[in-house]
Amino acid sequence: AQTVTQSQPEMSVQEAETVTLSCTYDTSESNYYLFWYKQPPSRQMILVIRQEAYKQQNATENRFSVNFQKAAKSFSLKISDSQLGDTAMYFCAFNEGNTPLVFGKGTRLSVIA
Amino acid sequence: NAGVTQTPKFRVLKTGQSMTLLCAQDMNHEYMYWYRQDPGMGLRLIHYSVGEGTTAKGEVPDGYNVSRLKKQNFLLGLESAAPSQTSVYFCASSYGGRSSYEQYFGPGTRLTVT
Repeated sequence: AQTVTQSQPEMSVQEAETVTLSCTYDTSESNYYLFWYKQPPSRQMILVIRQEAYKQQNATENRFSVNFQKAAKSFSLKISDSQLGDTAMYFCAFNEGNTPLVFGKGTRLSVIA
Repeated sequence: NAGVTQTPKFRVLKTGQSMTLLCAQDMNHEYMYWYRQDPGMGLRLIHYSVGEGTTAKGEVPDGYNVSRLKKQNFLLGLESAAPSQTSVYFCASSYGGRSSYEQYFGPGTRLTVT
C-alpha cells in the first residue's frame, strides 16, 4: 500500500528565514508524481508544487523548491524568504498511475514576525 | 468559472439523521473525489468517480454512499449519521486520472454530528 509520512507535526520559522519540511513515501513503482499542498486557515487546499518521478531536476516555484531523492524516497519542501502568509498546514501527497492522491498527515508551519 | 463548489458549508446533525453533500464543478472534469479531513489524520479518500455513472470506494467508505448522475455533480450521502462522521469534507475534481493532472479542491464542508 502507498504511504506518505510527514515526521514533523509542527514547525516554526522566523520571517525571511528558510525552512524545510520533510516527506517520505513508499512505493514499488518507478513512475509517479509527488505534490505539496498548502492549507491556510481559510481551509482552501492550494497546490504549491509538484514533481514527476522520472524527472531528475528538482521542481521550483518562486520561493518554493523541492529536494527529490528518488532512491531514498524522500521529497522535502524548502520555503525561502518565509512570509507571514506562508503560515498554514502543508500536506505532502503522492500518486502513481491512475490512483487517487494519498496524503500525509500534514505539518503545521508558523511563520513568526 | 466557479471551479469546485460545495453545498452546504456548515451543518449540524443529530445522530441517526441523514443528509446529502453536493459537489459541483464547471471545468468539465472526468474525475471527482470526496475526502474527509480529521485533526492529525490528513485527508483520507472516501469515494471517487472516474466518470458519469461510475463510483468506486476509497480508503474510508463505510457509512457513506455516493452518486454521479451528472458529470458535473458528485453527491455524498450519510444515511444515518454518527458522531464519528464529524469532520471536514472536501470535494475535488481533476481532468483525468493520470498522476500529472492537478486536483482542484472545493472550500470544504464542516459537519458536526451530536
